[in-house]
Amino acid sequence: DAKTTQPNSMESNEEEPVHLPCNHSTISGTDYIHWYRQLPSQGPEYVIHGLTSNVNNRMASLAIAEDRKSSTLILHRATLRDAAVYYCIRGPEYGNKLVFGAGTILRVKS
Amino acid sequence: EPEVTQTPSHQVTQMGQEVILRCVPISNHLYFYWYRQILGQKVEFLVSFYNNEISEKSEIFDDQFSVERPDGSNFTLKIRSTKLEDSAMYFCATGTASENTEAFFGQGTRLTVV
Repeated sequence: DAKTTQPNSMESNEEEPVHLPCNHSTISGTDYIHWYRQLPSQGPEYVIHGLTSNVNNRMASLAIAEDRKSSTLILHRATLRDAAVYYCIRGPEYGNKLVFGAGTILRVKS
Repeated sequence: EPEVTQTPSHQVTQMGQEVILRCVPISNHLYFYWYRQILGQKVEFLVSFYNNEISEKSEIFDDQFSVERPDGSNFTLKIRSTKLEDSAMYFCATGTASENTEAFFGQGTRLTVV
């Protein structure tokens, strides 16, 4: 049980921002929120993670709600290469493993 | 950029045969994981390994599976007697710390059991 809820799929236009939502209403106070993505025919790839504050890195931004029950992954300018399955994961889950759900399939149109 | 390397990229084996999947972790990483993904399904955790022993394993990781670091560099997953349902992509992942840090995944080995 991944214990996060994400939309099955989303679509974006190239060069536009994308906001990928995730609901984790039962998150505990010490659980981080991790985002990974999986490009077609590749292994999962780390995107970003955070606990309470909003986080930025070269790939994306992570906006975490004040009550921590939801978060949003922001891709500032989607490219065709960003088409992938995006996974929102609470962690740690029973130790140090990642529990993947079905994720959100992001399609990027040119 | 450092990367996790897995070999072979594709392995075809007959049911009942033993297979060994290999992973070369990033050099300063101490935590190692195997995951699998059956075609069209979720990525599933199999096992985590630290300090030359298993730290956690899932229900999937039964007696047919084993892991080891035979030479202090490679990290291997052995399936003793493969079944048709073992056909999947197997991903190795490594990390510097056990929790709340980035896990680096390899490109995977596609195992096909016939």
